[in-house]
Amino acid sequence: EVQLVESGGGLVQPGGSLRLSCAASGFTFSDHYMDWVRQAPGKGLEWVGRTRNKANSYTTEYAASVKGRFTISRDDSKNSLYLQMNSLKTEDTAVYYCAREGYWGQGTLVTVSS
Amino acid sequence: DVVMTQSPLSLPVTLGQPASISCRSSQSLVYSDGNTYLNWFQQRPGQSPRRLIYKVSNRDSGVPDRFSGSGSGTDFTLKISRVEAEDVGVYYCMQGTHWPPGFGPGTKVDIK
Repeated sequence: EVQLVESGGGLVQPGGSLRLSCAASGFTFSDHYMDWVRQAPGKGLEWVGRTRNKANSYTTEYAASVKGRFTISRDDSKNSLYLQMNSLKTEDTAVYYCAREGYWGQGTLVTVSS
Repeated sequence: DVVMTQSPLSLPVTLGQPASISCRSSQSLVYSDGNTYLNWFQQRPGQSPRRLIYKVSNRDSGVPDRFSGSGSGTDFTLKISRVEAEDVGVYYCMQGTHWPPGFGPGTKVDIK
């Protein structure tokens, strides 16, 4: 059974940093592209970024709203996906989901507030 | 970026009756490989999104057959043949053909 479990969310001040993790199981992690998607409170879904697999050189892509501030990485040996978030803004407040095609985790809440 | 629109944004339905949600894209979603990467997601209250339909009309494993997807090019539809109480939630279309991937604004389905 595919499982994606996010962690690392919390309260951070504007301008601060946070690192989210996603632990994957139930599939061959190294074979797959992985995405981060977020949802601000009471709002819709926004794609944040993607990391491709080793066969595609682990290339990454980002939404314009986070490019230059967020970095996606992965550790295939640990079946883990990461999202390093720097220079956080209040508008980054959201539940962050780790996703692999049709499979999504339960999300982790990031609150950016002073 | 491709803009995804949905209608209606709110859909009160009667239990046992059909429901239909429209999704339109600002550009054709046919990819160079011939596939159309249009997905439908359901988000029940307090839950993570769940994919129901991929590539326009393919139901994901475990999705009841009362859900169906159709359409082509820029115009797509999600239909629920007979709405059940567990279908309450927000439904999103999502395109994966053009970069970046993008979601529609969501259609909130609730019971009259």
